[in-house]
Amino acid sequence: GAVVSQHPSRVICKSGTSVKIECRSLDFQATTMFWYRQFPKKSLMLMATSNEGSKATYEQGVEKDKFLINHASLTLSTLTVTSAHPEDSSFYICSAPPSGLSYNEQFFGPGTRLTVL
Amino acid sequence: EDQVTQSPEALRLQEGESSSLNCSYTVSGLRGLFWYRQDPGKGPEFLFTLYSAGEEKEKERLKATLTKKESFLHITAPKPEDSATYLCAVQAGQAGTALIFGKGTTLSVSS
Repeated sequence: GAVVSQHPSRVICKSGTSVKIECRSLDFQATTMFWYRQFPKKSLMLMATSNEGSKATYEQGVEKDKFLINHASLTLSTLTVTSAHPEDSSFYICSAPPSGLSYNEQFFGPGTRLTVL
Repeated sequence: EDQVTQSPEALRLQEGESSSLNCSYTVSGLRGLFWYRQDPGKGPEFLFTLYSAGEEKEKERLKATLTKKESFLHITAPKPEDSATYLCAVQAGQAGTALIFGKGTTLSVSS
């Protein structure tokens, strides 16, 4: 299957700092990428849809000024958590459906564990 | 509102003891139903996509089936390495849209 990578795999930061998470599709192009968040023993919840060359769309309740998304190329989307607070501590996962293909799989990255102290 | 419910929340099996995981869904315009495996601290690993009622797919000890209201993931003669959380997700609308996940079933297989 197609490969999606994320960097970093885990990050620990102090409250008030900003953290950037990268999501890359390694062997395919993705005009759209999705960012999910997963709290312990909870399901994946969609945060936002990242669109190459245009603004991201955010789910209800997700602050667009806090979670900045940039989809600068067909293989890279970044999520920046600005002024992070302890309640932002979570497991952030990106996914990408391959562009231009008829099948409908979505491949997920390995996730980024964010801990805000 | 589109919704996915998985049961049971947790399942403990002995090695070789077959069982099934359930995923019931309510969605307008189902495009696909997905099964993923997730190990602790890892991202979901794709298993199957089912598109229409009556469809079945198999992979090693796993078999996924789909009806108009639910999907089952059958595990035949499980091994300890099958221990993981199994996630069910649905996709509605157009291809390439985001998935709606259930809370998952955590499977533990002991030898």
